[in-house]
Amino acid sequence: SQKIEQNSEALNIQEGKTATLTCNYTNYSPAYLQWYRQDPGRGPVFLLLIRENEKEKRKERLKVTFDTTLKQSLFHITASQPADSATYLCALDGGNNNDMRFGAGTRLTVKP
Amino acid sequence: DGGITQSPKYLFRKEGQNVTLSCEQNLNHDAMYWYRQDPGQGLRLIYYSQIVNDFQKGDIAEGYSVSREKKESFPLTVTSAQKNPTAFYLCASSMRQTNIQYFGAGTRLSVL
Repeated sequence: SQKIEQNSEALNIQEGKTATLTCNYTNYSPAYLQWYRQDPGRGPVFLLLIRENEKEKRKERLKVTFDTTLKQSLFHITASQPADSATYLCALDGGNNNDMRFGAGTRLTVKP
Repeated sequence: DGGITQSPKYLFRKEGQNVTLSCEQNLNHDAMYWYRQDPGQGLRLIYYSQIVNDFQKGDIAEGYSVSREKKESFPLTVTSAQKNPTAFYLCASSMRQTNIQYFGAGTRLSVL
């Protein structure tokens, strides 16, 4: 069966450091991979999308890599700030409207 | 403001009762979705709809029902057949060309 694993349930880092979150998957061939941010009691908010033929995507302090051989995506936040504290979800997208699979998320805490 | 509105924010269900969660969008998106989120688990798809008057079951449709009479509206009914309804329910929409999901703020359902 399809499986998505995000490296850890929680990650604590110091302000200014780079946070690296991992998303691994099995038994799936996604056309796209997406990352979302979710704050407590709120709906997820879309951050970045990377296609299967792209290796890396950047947006301001965010960087996403996608390795279809390793079946892994890495999500980096550089120069992290306490305001970056949230849960980050990866989502695999097969390219059809009914074919999205979400990971359980990693809760990131950035300490001042 | 453009977006997705879910109501109510909190909902309590009595034994044997059906309850309906509202979801309205003014983004002019064709596709709409309902997800259930439980602690430590990824979002699980309940139902989705790609066009008006048409909808399909997701992975965990048992005990739920939906309707799509208008493009803007996609209400979810949690029936008495759903024996474990306590969860955070999220509604989302997306454009036909992309599967990027736009989420509402969620409804937290509890059982009395």
